[in-house]
Amino acid sequence: QVQLVESGGGVVQPGRSLRLSCAASGFTFSSYAMYWVRQAPGKGLEWVAFIWYDGTNEYYVDSVKGRFTVSRDNSKNSLSLQMNSLRAEDTAMYYCARGALGILVRPPDYWGQGTLVTVSS
Amino acid sequence: QSALTQPASVSGSPGQSITISCTGTSSDVGGYNYVSWYQLHPGKAPKLIIFDVSDRPSGVSNRFSGSKSGNTASLTISGLQAGDEADYHCSSYTGTSVVFGGGTKLTVL
Repeated sequence: QVQLVESGGGVVQPGRSLRLSCAASGFTFSSYAMYWVRQAPGKGLEWVAFIWYDGTNEYYVDSVKGRFTVSRDNSKNSLSLQMNSLRAEDTAMYYCARGALGILVRPPDYWGQGTLVTVSS
Repeated sequence: QSALTQPASVSGSPGQSITISCTGTSSDVGGYNYVSWYQLHPGKAPKLIIFDVSDRPSGVSNRFSGSKSGNTASLTISGLQAGDEADYHCSSYTGTSVVFGGGTKLTVL
């Protein structure tokens, strides 16, 4: 069955960096686009980053452009999110989620349980 | 891209039916038949319960149904059960990306 397991969250000071990882299994990872989606406390879901199946294109929500970088290693079935210059408003549960096949853009189907990022001094 | 609009909360008694709305624009909900609904229980992975407006993934109860009229999509849960108490979020394709709703907390009385 499809499994997505996030790791790397924690408490970090404003301005510092954190790297999230997502281990995928149960499907052909290299065939699917992938998302990072976050949910701030008391707020709705927000997509943060999206990467094509082959990693050749990445897209970001405006609020993280220039600070976050999504990447993938299809040989290791893994997805990453490098988060730099973190701000208090980045505090959220971060989910790894599976997109559609190839370069199609569709709402995600499978999700991980999430990893909590808290940005606080 | 503005978030889709959902009611903050809905409630119902066991056995009853409830409907959660998800209102967008002609650029998202109204323009494409790619609306999904998710069930979020605390500490668990979000679960897809409806995709492509009204399709159910394998294993999802037929008590969950989806529909769309104009710029508003709806999720209906019939025969409410205690285990349905959760947050529900909608999402729509926008032509270039996806957008989510603010989420609705369902309370089973």
